[in-house]
Amino acid sequence: GAGVSQTPSNKVTEKGKYVELRCDPISGHTALYWYRQSLGQGPEFLIYFQGTGAADDSGLPNDRFFAVRPEGSVSTLKIQRTERGDSAVYLCASSVTGPASPLHFGNGTRLTVT
Amino acid sequence: GESVGLHLPTLSVQEGDNSIINCAYSNSASDYFIWYKQESGKGPQFIIDIRSNMDKRQGQRVTVLLNKTVKHLSLQIAATQPGDSAVYFCAENPNTGNQFYFGTGTSLTVIP
Repeated sequence: GAGVSQTPSNKVTEKGKYVELRCDPISGHTALYWYRQSLGQGPEFLIYFQGTGAADDSGLPNDRFFAVRPEGSVSTLKIQRTERGDSAVYLCASSVTGPASPLHFGNGTRLTVT
Repeated sequence: GESVGLHLPTLSVQEGDNSIINCAYSNSASDYFIWYKQESGKGPQFIIDIRSNMDKRQGQRVTVLLNKTVKHLSLQIAATQPGDSAVYFCAENPNTGNQFYFGTGTSLTVIP
């Protein structure tokens, strides 16, 4: 079946601009996660949704970052006033129920802020 | 924060040999562990998982061992193939947490 889909695969933006990254999880998965991965590092947690609500947003670095999942399926990660330090691969994952089940990742969106 | 680390950042093995990738974790409350494989330009791919009530779990060509006493996890890959070349991550989930914590990763290179 279809896996987690993320669009765009690459995004180049100028410092100060606003960007939206989209994640389409595996159908039926109630849990959705956003992680960020810098070069040579493991993924770092940003936010976790259970259904439509953000169950844990403790990983969001600051208030420039926001994510929504209005219908409990597709999620959008929004970054305002982008900074060069935001450059990374943003990974989305979904799981059947949440932290007690495996995360299945998409291929990520590579964000480059110039 | 959590600390999940790997003993060896790089590992090279001959094709056909067995590979062992190690991982240390710091949170004794962690009760669920996953190994992921990540190829260049792709997202992490689930390999195998294990819960803290088990010491060993086997999959196809892979075995995960969990030693809770010393907080150590290992991934064994049998008859390593060129397609196994990738970065391998261990991830842990504490039983009170919503997130998985990932280590830095080990880069496995299989020499034909």
